[in-house]
This record gives sequence, structure tokens and C-alpha cells, in this order.
Amino acid sequence: AQRVTQPEKLLSVFKGAPVELKCNYSYSGSPELFWYVQYSRQRLQLLLRHISRESIKGFTADLNKGETSFHLKKPFAQEEDSAMYYCASGYSTLTFGKGTMLLVSP
Amino acid sequence: EAGVAQSPRYKIIEKRQSVAFWCNPISGHATLYWYQQILGQGPKLLIQFQNNGVVDDSQLPKDRFSAERLKGVDSTLKIQPAKLEDSAVYLCASSPYGQGDTEAFFGQGTRLTVV
Repeated sequence: AQRVTQPEKLLSVFKGAPVELKCNYSYSGSPELFWYVQYSRQRLQLLLRHISRESIKGFTADLNKGETSFHLKKPFAQEEDSAMYYCASGYSTLTFGKGTMLLVSP
Repeated sequence: EAGVAQSPRYKIIEKRQSVAFWCNPISGHATLYWYQQILGQGPKLLIQFQNNGVVDDSQLPKDRFSAERLKGVDSTLKIQPAKLEDSAVYLCASSPYGQGDTEAFFGQGTRLTVV
């Protein structure tokens, strides 16, 4: 079965610190890769997708095909980044990881 | 644009009862998904519709779960009879095409508690 692994349930950092949320996928080939975010009391929404290679809210994600990883990074975390982050991978349907809660403290 | 609408927001039922959830996707979106999200886990796809046809229902427990998308617009997801392990948030999402090609837009979800 295809799997998306997010090894950290919780990542706690101070404001201004660098952030890296890890994601590994088990799909073969070149699946689509996404990061979704859920802020407190809001619906799940797309943060960024690999194919667009954008930087959204200061976040970027690097695809490493050799390691089958798609880690999410931000050089300087802000308090408003505190949220639940889900990595997702697949083709016509997506498999989601279990999510990582990011807490940014002042 | 209006987002994906789901109702009800919350539902509490006893085990062995039946329950139904409703979803209205974004206008014009061809693809509709139902996900189950158990506490502490990521969303798990239950069923995917392309217009009013089923594309993937491999993870739908068909002995108790059913879903339909009449006229390729609104959709309902039903559980009959419910079990304790069905307690979860049920998310509906829609996208213009297949989810792998483009962004999926999620509803607020329905939180089901089975007691």
C-alpha cells in the first residue's frame, strides 16, 4: 500500500527559528506532492504543491526523489504558522500522512 | 466563490443507528471526495466521484457505508448501522478535475460521535 510518513507528531519552536517538517512517501514514479495546512477552527486547505514550485507564506518544499522525501521548510517561523500540517502524495487520488502539529512560541 | 458546504456539523448517535451526511461541492467541480479522519490521523479517502460516477471506492466499508452523487452535484454519505469505530470527522472535498492534477477544496467536516 502507498504510504506517506510524517515522523513527528509535534514540532515546537520559538518565533524566528527555522522550521523543517519532514515527509517521506512510498509511491513509485513521479506522484503529485502537496502540503495541506489546517489552522485552528478552519478547514483543511492547500499550502503548496510541488508542481507549482511556489513559496507560500515563506514556506518551500524540496523534493528529493532519491530519498522519496518532500520536506517543508521555513527559515523564520512566525506565531501565525502554528497549525496542523499534512503531507499528501498520489496520482488521481491522494494519500495523506498523519500530520505534524507545529507550535510556534513567542 | 462559495466553498464546499457540509451538514450537519456535529452528530451524536448510538451504535447500530444510521446516519447520513450531506455535501454540496463548489459549483462546476467535477470531482467530489469523501474522507474519514479519525482522531490523530490524516484524512483517509472513502470514495471519489467523477461527475456522478464512482472512480475509487476501494476503502469504503461497503457492508455499512454507502454514498451517492445524484446528478453529479450534491452527495450524501450514509452509515448503517454505525459502529463505535466510525467516530471520526467526515470531510467532503471537491476539485475541478482529479485531485492529483489540481487543488482539492475541503468542507468544514461533520464530526460524528458514536456512543
